[in-house]
Order: sequence, then C-alpha cells, then structure tokens
Amino acid sequence: QKEVEQNSGPLSVPEGAIASLNCTYSDRGSQSFFWYRQYSGKSPELIMFIYSNGDKEDGRFTAQLNKASQYVSLLIRDSQPSDSATYLCAVNRDGGATNKLIFGTGTLLAVQP
Amino acid sequence: GAVVSQHPSWVICKSGTSVKIECRSLDFQATTMFWYRQFPKQSLMLMATSNEGSKATYEQGVEKDKFLINHASLTLSTLTVTSAHPEDSSFYICSATRGTGKGDNEQFFGPGTRLTVL
Repeated sequence: QKEVEQNSGPLSVPEGAIASLNCTYSDRGSQSFFWYRQYSGKSPELIMFIYSNGDKEDGRFTAQLNKASQYVSLLIRDSQPSDSATYLCAVNRDGGATNKLIFGTGTLLAVQP
Repeated sequence: GAVVSQHPSWVICKSGTSVKIECRSLDFQATTMFWYRQFPKQSLMLMATSNEGSKATYEQGVEKDKFLINHASLTLSTLTVTSAHPEDSSFYICSATRGTGKGDNEQFFGPGTRLTVL
C-alpha cells in the first residue's frame, strides 16, 4: 500500500462546476496535510493545509479532513480553466516529529471551457 | 515573503561531469531545506533533508556520495550531482521551512532545476 494515494485522473469538469479531489494516507500518526497545485514543468505551489478534522475554507477552495477514515479531500468551487493542473496531496511523515512530506502521485484536473 | 530561488533553472551536461544546483531562501532564514527529485509523470520523491551546519539526512536508496549536499548558511543549500549519467536526468526541486522542524511548518518550494545529462 502506498503511503499517500490519489487517483491519477484525469478528472474532467466543466467550467463553473465543483471539482472534488481525494486522497488517502496510510500513517495514522500523520498530523499535517497539504494540497499543492503543480502546473506542467513548474514546481508545486501550496493551496491549503489542514491539521484538524472537518472543513477548512479559503476562497474557492475547501479542504476536508477525516483522520478516522485517513482521508483528505479538496473541493474547488466555480472551477476555472486556469485551475487545470496536477493537484498533489502531501502528508507529514514521522507523526509530526519532522517537516518531511510524503507526496501522492497527483490528480490531473482538466477544466473544460 | 517566503521566496525560494534555485539556480540554474535548467542545465545540460555531458555524462560523467558534475553539476551543482543552488537553493536560496531570499527573504527568510531557512532552518531546514529539502531536496526532491521528480521524474516525468511521477510525484516528488524526497532525496534528503538538509539542516544548516550539519550533515544532510538522506532517504533510503539515495546515494550520499553521488548527491552531495552542503548547507553552509541559513539561506543557502547546494546539491551537487557527481559523475552525472543520463538516468540522473530529472527535475530537481528544493524547498525550505523557517520553523522549528516540527511537523507544522509549511514548505516553500523553489522553481526547480531541470537537469539533462547527455
């Protein structure tokens, strides 16, 4: 079992729709969870992080965390073509003792105009 | 704030040569820097963790004698790929944190360096 799993996609949604991206992780001791966006040929940029169970909203983005189910998701409302990118889920390793991150393979999102 | 730069942004070299990549935190002091490698259509793989003034910690399977890391100051870490071969061709990305080293600090990524070994 991979430490961080994501559906590779591509996930195709029409412009204006809600895109839902999912991620599961294997280490129950993980404390911090991050969503990064990566455009082709570029380095990742942080969208959101979440530490507590529940929802966290930032503009059009909502991160959801369920530690019991070891599941974290990212919702993108009113999706725009500029949101088309690969979304990487990252989970803190070592139970929070360090800043090391384990990345999933990413989900490619394609927003159709 | 929290800008990380990398130099060069891309490099092409002949097999057998060594290549040095610099990672700088421009507007903050980075207690820890990380080096990642990303092959096409794959995720980021952590290569090593670098703390200022101490030896880097390498991940399992990463050759420390091939990938030399120096973290001489709180704003600069370098990765040297020694005796590079075509299989070392990849996208190398550094990141930096400014926190205590606990798992609650954001990593700020550099723009990456694309290495092509002929």
